[in-house]
Amino acid sequence: DIVMTQSPDSLAVSLGERATINCKSSQTVLYNSNNKTYLGWYQQKPGQPPKLLIYWASTRESGVPDRISGSGSETEFTLTISSLQAEDVAVYYCQQYYSTPYTFGQGTKLEIK
Amino acid sequence: QVQLQESGPGLVKPSQTLSLTCTVSGRSISSGGDYWSWVRQPAGKGLEWIGRIYTSGSTSYNPSLKSRVTMSVDTSKNQFSLRLSSVTAADTAVYYCAMTPGRNSPFDYWGQGTLVTVSS
Repeated sequence: DIVMTQSPDSLAVSLGERATINCKSSQTVLYNSNNKTYLGWYQQKPGQPPKLLIYWASTRESGVPDRISGSGSETEFTLTISSLQAEDVAVYYCQQYYSTPYTFGQGTKLEIK
Repeated sequence: QVQLQESGPGLVKPSQTLSLTCTVSGRSISSGGDYWSWVRQPAGKGLEWIGRIYTSGSTSYNPSLKSRVTMSVDTSKNQFSLRLSSVTAADTAVYYCAMTPGRNSPFDYWGQGTLVTVSS
């Protein structure tokens, strides 16, 4: 199985400041034959299902604000919220869909400082 | 707009079989291309992929649960189902059904989730 490890486990950021969440995979999730990186980011608020934010490591899902971005390749990835808004308070998960079993990071809880 | 809705008993006794159904609207399961998954989340914990099924009935299960999991699809009702046998308290979780628009793709549609508690 590909193990996904996020850091930090929790993060407190002031409104308007930058939030950065990291994710590492135990093996590459870059498929060389099509040069696609099989990595997604999800946001989960209490009592709600996860919501897809980013796929292919850096492609923003429709409707996701452009203050949210994803980057990285191979085994190291970052989710960045450039200017934290109150509605961004949530738990964030990375997920690899390179191979089954699909696996998620343990989650990063983002709060307002 | 694709919508998924889980249904099934909220309480299951230990050693019995958990059975859930996901009803899909806004998309035909039989149209092909999409894969239909189950994901679970114990209270306050992370997400675990249980497995997926294709319209043909082809399945892929998480090895950690494979011996206890069966998934099926009913194209006439536009539903797919999960059965998890020999449950214990460790299987208590919110169970989500979800869709991926391709074999190895992100989960772009999710149900709201249903809490299943395993207790006598």
